[in-house]
Amino acid sequence: KAGVTQTPRYLIKTRGQQVTLSCSPISGHRSVSWYQQTPGQGLQFLFEYFSETQRNKGNFPGRFSGRQFSNSRSEMNVSTLELGDSALYLCASSILAGETQYFGPGTRLLVL
Amino acid sequence: AQSVTQPDIHITVSEGASLELRCNYSYGATPYLFWYVQSPGQGLQLLLKYFSGDTLVQGIKGFEAEFKRSQSSFNLRKPSVHWSDAAEYFCAVGPESDMRFGAGTRLTVKP
Repeated sequence: KAGVTQTPRYLIKTRGQQVTLSCSPISGHRSVSWYQQTPGQGLQFLFEYFSETQRNKGNFPGRFSGRQFSNSRSEMNVSTLELGDSALYLCASSILAGETQYFGPGTRLLVL
Repeated sequence: AQSVTQPDIHITVSEGASLELRCNYSYGATPYLFWYVQSPGQGLQLLLKYFSGDTLVQGIKGFEAEFKRSQSSFNLRKPSVHWSDAAEYFCAVGPESDMRFGAGTRLTVKP
């Protein structure tokens, strides 16, 4: 069974732009969570989606948003990019919300 | 509020030596506790988790962890480290839908 896939793997943007990251969960998994990983702040929870509904949201500004589609694929969007948004963005999927999460390799975003 | 502290930023051990990575947590109720490993350029892989029951938890790759409520600790151990264990290790406190991670401990393995 294929694992969690994230596209693109690497991305370079400039300040003020927006970006969309994609996550395809493991087949049969209906819950998707997103995390931001930076050297300064470590791993921080962004949000969790289950059956196209956002169940939980971390402490991030409204520039960070996400959605989940009927096939469980998820996207996250960051608008008006700031230098501090440079990070590794990790997606994790689970069969149901609250079950064991399986992480993808991440998308590394660099904001110049 | 739930939080995790990993006191050791970096640990170096010789191949074949034993390993213990420390984790202390703060959580209002019975904690859900996890250990993840991250190799360079990779996502996180779950090593083991504790929800309830036996306080000694066995995981993959020969790792185990012991939950000690009185010490608010969940230390990760391995009796004999292999060079392939070099990675960053994260302790986390749950629930899984809202995990809080520690800052991580980077493990270097000397030949």
